[in-house]
Amino acid sequence: DGGITQSPKYLFRKEGQNVTLSCEQNLNHDAMYWYRQDPGQGLRLIYYSQIVNDFQKGDIAEGYSVSREKKESFPLTVTSAQKNPTAFYLCASLGRVNQPQHFGDGTRLSIL
Amino acid sequence: AQTVTQSQPEMSVQEAETVTLSCTYDTSESDYYLFWYKQPPSRQMILVIRQEAYKQQNATENRFSVNFQKAAKSFSLKISDSQLGDAAMYFCAYRSGRDDKIIFGKGTRLHILP
Repeated sequence: DGGITQSPKYLFRKEGQNVTLSCEQNLNHDAMYWYRQDPGQGLRLIYYSQIVNDFQKGDIAEGYSVSREKKESFPLTVTSAQKNPTAFYLCASLGRVNQPQHFGDGTRLSIL
Repeated sequence: AQTVTQSQPEMSVQEAETVTLSCTYDTSESDYYLFWYKQPPSRQMILVIRQEAYKQQNATENRFSVNFQKAAKSFSLKISDSQLGDAAMYFCAYRSGRDDKIIFGKGTRLHILP
């Protein structure tokens, strides 16, 4: 079955470290997204990519970086510049024009 | 820039009653799509209903319907005959027809009272 796989499910980061969250999709979708979810804040857009080798900043891109070298993959790196990285991170993809997003199961990132 | 506002952080409704969740948005675009998603405690995102901005007819999916007022930039969700399984966070989302940017509101937590 087609879908989106996020890994790992839980991730711990030490102060000053960069960590990378994985997102892979086999839906042949062109667009992919990263969101951060905090209590009371809803889903906030970090980065999105409409096509390979291209991506745009969302509303809270500072302290994060992404790459889109393959259509299937859109990894998110949480850098040491992100001072409050503890959150739930959701990856999504988008296919045809009037279709909804497909979401992964999320990654919970915590600081040690 | 586009924004999505959900003004009700929490709501409660008696089982079998009807409840309406509010959503307003701001955009200068004419081509866009609107969605309501449900997020239960499992954190899975489940599509509830969608609306294309160019369609005047309000979308309906079984017990769920929307009141889409394009001029007022309002997109409320009505849940009829509320069931215990409807308890969840509900998010309103806006998708740009120009660049596929998709943003969400802060959500409304819905409680169903037995």
